[in-house]
Amino acid sequence: AQSVTQLDSQVPVFEEAPVELRCNYSSSVSVYLFWYVQYPNQGLQLLLKYLSGSTLVKGINGFEAEFNKSQTSFHLRKPSVHISDTAEYFCAVIPYGGATNKLIFGTGTLLAVQP
Amino acid sequence: GAGVSQTPSNKVTEKGKYVELRCDPISGHTALYWYRQSLGQGPEFLIYFQGTGAADDSGLPNDRFFAVRPEGSVSTLKIQRTERGDSAVYLCASSLTGGTGANVLTFGAGSRLTVL
Repeated sequence: AQSVTQLDSQVPVFEEAPVELRCNYSSSVSVYLFWYVQYPNQGLQLLLKYLSGSTLVKGINGFEAEFNKSQTSFHLRKPSVHISDTAEYFCAVIPYGGATNKLIFGTGTLLAVQP
Repeated sequence: GAGVSQTPSNKVTEKGKYVELRCDPISGHTALYWYRQSLGQGPEFLIYFQGTGAADDSGLPNDRFFAVRPEGSVSTLKIQRTERGDSAVYLCASSLTGGTGANVLTFGAGSRLTVL
């Protein structure tokens, strides 16, 4: 079975400061990794994904994440945040070889950007 | 359509009532997923359709929950004898095909169900 842990339920940060949202996973098989963002009253939107290849993945809105297999982590980073980045961020995995795209989500991290 | 459409956006019902939640996926997407997001939690998988058939319903919590997709497009999630614990946001997603993680899921805005 797979599980995803997002240790920080809320991360407050000032505008233009850097931010890192942490994600660790547990799985007996290899996984694909994803970050989704959920703005208030909107659906989940894909930020970025890691399928294979380079462990540093760049996504939309200036976000990037690095896959670390030895630490089973996939932390999300942005060098300078904006007020508009305030949202809930979810890390998710899909196990290799599955017959479906069944995403397994973490509990989410609320990024609260303050002026 | 341009995106995944879910109706109603909000539903308030009384304990014991029956509810239906509708999902209209992106045109041409053969795979459709239902998830449930409780307060303070990440979305939890309920059921996956490939075409008209439920390929994986392992996430349905009990037999009060049922979903259909009779023509391989629109899907309806049905909840019988609702309980207060069913209160959550029900999310629908679709993808071009099922299979590996290379096929990205597009999510709707969700249907917020409140059971009084």
